[in-house]
Amino acid sequence: QKEVEQNSGPLSVPEGAIASLNCTYSDRGSQSFFWYRQYSGKSPELIMSIYSNGDKEDGRFTAQLNKASQYVSLLIRDSQPSDSATYLCAVKAPRSGAGSYQLTFGKGTKLSVIP
Amino acid sequence: GAGVSQSPRYKVAKRGQDVALRCDPISGHVSLFWYQQALGQGPEFLTYFQNEAQLDKSGLPSDRFFAERPEGSVSTLKIQRTQQEDSAVYLCASGPSLVSEAFFGQGTRLTVV
Repeated sequence: QKEVEQNSGPLSVPEGAIASLNCTYSDRGSQSFFWYRQYSGKSPELIMSIYSNGDKEDGRFTAQLNKASQYVSLLIRDSQPSDSATYLCAVKAPRSGAGSYQLTFGKGTKLSVIP
Repeated sequence: GAGVSQSPRYKVAKRGQDVALRCDPISGHVSLFWYQQALGQGPEFLTYFQNEAQLDKSGLPSDRFFAERPEGSVSTLKIQRTQQEDSAVYLCASGPSLVSEAFFGQGTRLTVV
């Protein structure tokens, strides 16, 4: 069973601080890694994609990937109350024998940014 | 519109009723996924299409669940003889290629009473 693990939180940070969200995955064949943000009652919204080891920055968001450690993280700088949401880590891996890819989600980390 | 569109947004079904949920992906997207999301949980994989081919249906919870994408575009998830445990949000996502990101529709909230 392919697994994606996240701390469920809640993670509380003060406004303006850095929020650090972590994710580990079990399938070493995983090729693509994503972070989605989900507000309560809404569907997941893609915020970052990362495909190779290292850091990828987009505005206040930085995704970090370490394939050797099977670890993905998301840093949110200058956190705002509007960043309060559940953050879902997702991992895409080829499914052996099926010719397809499976996109597996963690259960999400709930982030609360305190004004 | 340019995004993934799902209908209906809300569906209330009586136990035992059949339901059909529709997903209209982003035009040209090859990959299409269906997920089930219970309250407070991450999306759980149901099935995957590459164009019109259903390549993975390992997540469908029972033979009451059936999905199709006959022309490689619109997809329908059908649930026969609905049960209370089928109550959840059903999410559809499409992506432009096999390894790329997937974009979600608004979801259909199914309540079985």
